[in-house]
Amino acid sequence: GQQLNQSPQSMFIQEGEDVSMNCTSSSIFNTWLWYKQDPGEGPVLLIALYKAGELTSNGRLTAQFGITRKDSFLNISASIPSDVGIYFCAGNPTDSWGKLQFGAGTQVVVTP
Amino acid sequence: DAGVIQSPRHEVTEMGQEVTLRCKPISGHNSLFWYRQTMMRGLELLIYFNNNVPIDDSGMPEDRFSAKMPNASFSTLKIQPSEPRDSAVYFCASSLARGLEAFFGQGTRLTVV
Repeated sequence: GQQLNQSPQSMFIQEGEDVSMNCTSSSIFNTWLWYKQDPGEGPVLLIALYKAGELTSNGRLTAQFGITRKDSFLNISASIPSDVGIYFCAGNPTDSWGKLQFGAGTQVVVTP
Repeated sequence: DAGVIQSPRHEVTEMGQEVTLRCKPISGHNSLFWYRQTMMRGLELLIYFNNNVPIDDSGMPEDRFSAKMPNASFSTLKIQPSEPRDSAVYFCASSLARGLEAFFGQGTRLTVV
């Protein structure tokens, strides 16, 4: 079954607001990844994290690999309409290396 | 550089028929994944290969599903016989090495009627 708990399930925000979502797991992960999926498309990689404590930015996106290796968060600053989509966390657990698993996703809706 | 290529993009078939989904990973990548996405269950990992060898197929729903990777540039996922509950979007993804970030194809939307 799914080991990753992603929250919130959905977010309705106004353009210009910041967005924050997170993922937690019951086991230790070696890798945390964040993806965005648009309707009718495959997930697209946004940020990859490989070290505990690592904080990485990609434009208006910032993600961190939690110190405990059991969590990660993604922030989107100053949201714009094209940020609409489903955001997924994913990771490689240490007890099954290479088995990339996904959270349930956070649906983001941005209103003007 | 071409990304992961899946075919067909859409497949509609009748219950009981055999369905074969195809994937060409990114050149040079040695890990390949098959996922199934549904509203109810999200993205489920069905099976993944490393260096063309199946490493974990614990996500394959039942014996009706099988996957092969005869070489580094091609993989298939077969469902025989297909059932309406198999209707979903099936994604293939590849990564440069085990444990690194994976890149997804555009998926195959399967409808079994």
